[in-house]
Parts: sequence; structure tokens; C-alpha cells
Amino acid sequence: AQKITQTQPGMFVQEKEAVTLDCTYDTSDPSYGLFWYKQPSSGEMIFLIYQGSYDQQNATEGRYSLNFQKARKSANLVISASQLGDSAMYFCAMRELNYGGSQGNLIFGKGTKLSVKP
Amino acid sequence: GAGVSQSPRYKVAKRGQDVALRCDPISGHVSLFWYQQALGQGPEFLTYFQNEAQLDKSGLPSDRFFAERPEGSVSTLKIQRTQQEDSAVYLCASSLFSRRETQYFGPGTRLLVL
Repeated sequence: AQKITQTQPGMFVQEKEAVTLDCTYDTSDPSYGLFWYKQPSSGEMIFLIYQGSYDQQNATEGRYSLNFQKARKSANLVISASQLGDSAMYFCAMRELNYGGSQGNLIFGKGTKLSVKP
Repeated sequence: GAGVSQSPRYKVAKRGQDVALRCDPISGHVSLFWYQQALGQGPEFLTYFQNEAQLDKSGLPSDRFFAERPEGSVSTLKIQRTQQEDSAVYLCASSLFSRRETQYFGPGTRLLVL
């Protein structure tokens, strides 16, 4: 079974509007971390935001926020006030901190391609 | 400060050739990771170093893949007798101490095996 599922292969958003990128995860490890990375066409994976499984509040970093719903095992990324430079691939990733079956390594989803329209 | 750097950025190899991919992690970062990213997929873990010790190589797809980090800083991923299925982007990442921390990625090396 896939541990990280990103169901949206591609998304379009109008400049200055907000957009939500979906991510669901599967783990039996009670302690885990969730990450979002941005990958522009240049190829580099840029760290955006982190949420720990025991964090009481949803993580925020500037225009990025993570809508963490633990019971539903979802960790959606919300980008507010989209900019043209936000056009890129976005990857959700998980690390099981008690290692589970993944030895503590980062597990990535297949990504969502976001296109921001002017 | 400088981020993670990788070289070469692009590599074309004929099937059967050996290739070597280099990674310079962020200065002072103890942990270093290699990932393979096939076209249209997310990165997949290959191997993990803490300083010069290779603590996890469970993701290496075959014994043709070999990684080293002899002095605990620069790392080299070597692929022997390349096959077409090795064509992918190879990403290197580093973190300050352990793999429990945020990993910072380099720009990757795009390998094409003809």
C-alpha cells in the first residue's frame, strides 16, 4: 500500500488566489513527521514546511500552511496569494520516527504539478 | 551559506559505462542521503551516511550501485555497467545531525543512459 498519496497530478490556480494541495498518508507509527517540498523545473527540492505528529497546532511558514487532520491522516498544503513563481512540482513526504517499516527514511508521494495563471 | 551542490548536473552515458556522481553537502552537516527520482515520480531513498559511516544502503537497487563518503564530507555515488533503467535524476540531501531532521537537497544530477 502506498504510504503517501497525492491524488492531484496537476492543479491550476489564478495568480493571487489560494490553493490547496492534497496529501494523505498511511502509517501505524505513532510518531512521525510530514514534509512538503517544492521542485521547480531546475530540479532542486526546496523544503517548505514541516508538521510533527504530536504538534498541537498546524504549521505555518509565510504563505504556506499545513492543514493537518490527524484522524483523517491528511496533511494538505495551503498556499495563499499564489504567485507566478509558485509554479512547480510539490511533493508531500513522511518520515516514521520510530522507523516503522521504513527505517526512518523519507517517503515521498508522486507529486502535484501546480501551474499559476496570470 | 552555500547549499548542497552536485556535479555534473547532466550526464549522458552509453549502456555499460561506469559513472560517478558527486555531492558536496552543506558545510558541517553530518548526515548525507542519496535519492533516485525516476521521471514523473517522487524521489526514492538509496542510501544514508552519518559522517563517513554508511548506516543504511537498503535502497540501493543492485550491487552495481556503490556510494562512499571517505572523509565525512563529499560523497560519490558510483554506478557500474549502467543500464537504461538507471536513467533518472539522482538527488543528494544533507541534514545537520541525524535523519530525524529536515533534509536539504541539491539540484540533482540528471543521468541519461543510451
